[in-house]
Amino acid sequence: AQSVTQPDIHITVSEGASLELRCNYSYGATPYLFWYVQSPGQGLQLLLKYFSGDTLVQGIKGFEAEFKRSQSSFNLRKPSVHWSDAAEYFCAVGPSGYALNFGKGTSLLVTP
Amino acid sequence: SQTIHQWPATLVQPVGSPLSLECTVEGTSNPNLYWYRQAAGRGLQLLFYSVGIGQISSEVPQNLSASRPQDRQFILSSKKLLLSDSGFYLCAWSGGLVDTQYFGPGTRLTVL
Repeated sequence: AQSVTQPDIHITVSEGASLELRCNYSYGATPYLFWYVQSPGQGLQLLLKYFSGDTLVQGIKGFEAEFKRSQSSFNLRKPSVHWSDAAEYFCAVGPSGYALNFGKGTSLLVTP
Repeated sequence: SQTIHQWPATLVQPVGSPLSLECTVEGTSNPNLYWYRQAAGRGLQLLFYSVGIGQISSEVPQNLSASRPQDRQFILSSKKLLLSDSGFYLCAWSGGLVDTQYFGPGTRLTVL
């Protein structure tokens, strides 16, 4: 069965520090992978996606993610976190029927 | 460019009352449309999806129903709300089955 696991429910980093959010998936074929960000009370905004090709994907707001097939992972990274990056982050894999299969999310707190 | 709207933004309803949430998409034609529910700490649960006018598929049995009366309009309804229907409801669209999903701003529903 398809699944997405985000092992970290909460992560706290200092402003200016680097960030890595983990995402592991289980999928029977080559997956399409996504990272979304959600600010409190808002909808989800697409950060980046991987369909094929270069396994290192660049996204908006300075984020990048690397697809590692051997580890079934698609971890999100940012070299220097800003206070405005505090939000909920969701990894998703698809297609899952006509939809995407989302992880439960990782809440990022940024401290001064 | 494409835009997705949801209304209302927030809604407080008594148990047993009816519900109607609306989602509209601009700037595209024949989109796939989706309704998700987001509960705290549980990620996103797909409720319904639609690949065309009048075509609705339900992912989970529940107290809710969906309709697509026009190409770019998707409605989520209930005849009698339950306490368990409380949550954050997100509408999304995509250009096809294997495609990125774009989310609306969401509706916060509280059933009292």
